[in-house]
Amino acid sequence: KAGVTQTPRYLIKTRGQQVTLSCSPISGHRSVSWYQQTPGQGLQFLFEYFSETQRNKGNFPGRFSGRQFSNSRSEMNVSTLELGDSALYLCASSLGRPDIGEQYFGPGTRLTVT
Amino acid sequence: AQSVTQLDSQVPVFEEAPVELRCNYSSSVSVYLFWYVQYPNQGLQLLLKYLSGSTLVESINGFEAEFNKSQTSFHLRKPSVHISDTAEYFCAVSAKGAQKLVFGQGTRLTINP
Repeated sequence: KAGVTQTPRYLIKTRGQQVTLSCSPISGHRSVSWYQQTPGQGLQFLFEYFSETQRNKGNFPGRFSGRQFSNSRSEMNVSTLELGDSALYLCASSLGRPDIGEQYFGPGTRLTVT
Repeated sequence: AQSVTQLDSQVPVFEEAPVELRCNYSSSVSVYLFWYVQYPNQGLQLLLKYLSGSTLVESINGFEAEFNKSQTSFHLRKPSVHISDTAEYFCAVSAKGAQKLVFGQGTRLTINP
């Protein structure tokens, strides 16, 4: 099976712009979660989508949003970018069943805001 | 809510020496526990997991971790490390049934020849 894929891998944006990141989960996985990784804050949970519905949300401002499509692919959007949004954004997929906890991560999108 | 503490930010060891990476967690509900490994410029790879059953879990590349409920710990061990084990290791916890992972700050394992 192909793993989790994320596009693009690298992105450079200017402060104030918006950005959309894409994630394709492992085939058959219905849950997609997003995480932000920075040197200062470490790995932080952004949100989780399951069957096109946001099922869980972390403590991030409303500038961070996401959605999931019927084929389980997910996008994450950040509006009005700030310098502090520079980070590695990781997508993870799972079956989404309560008895199976593990998530599988993609390679990430490295976002640099200048 | 859950929290994870990785007690060492960096662990240097010599090749073929044993290593232990320490992880403690806090939670008011039952949890699943995980170790993930991150190589430079890559995403996270699942190393091993504890969901239920035997408290000692093993990975295919020689790592093992033991769930200790009374001490709320999930330490990672390997009896003999290799240069290729150089990476950052993250301990993570999720409430049973939830998909939200809470991570520790990571431990950078450096193997010296």
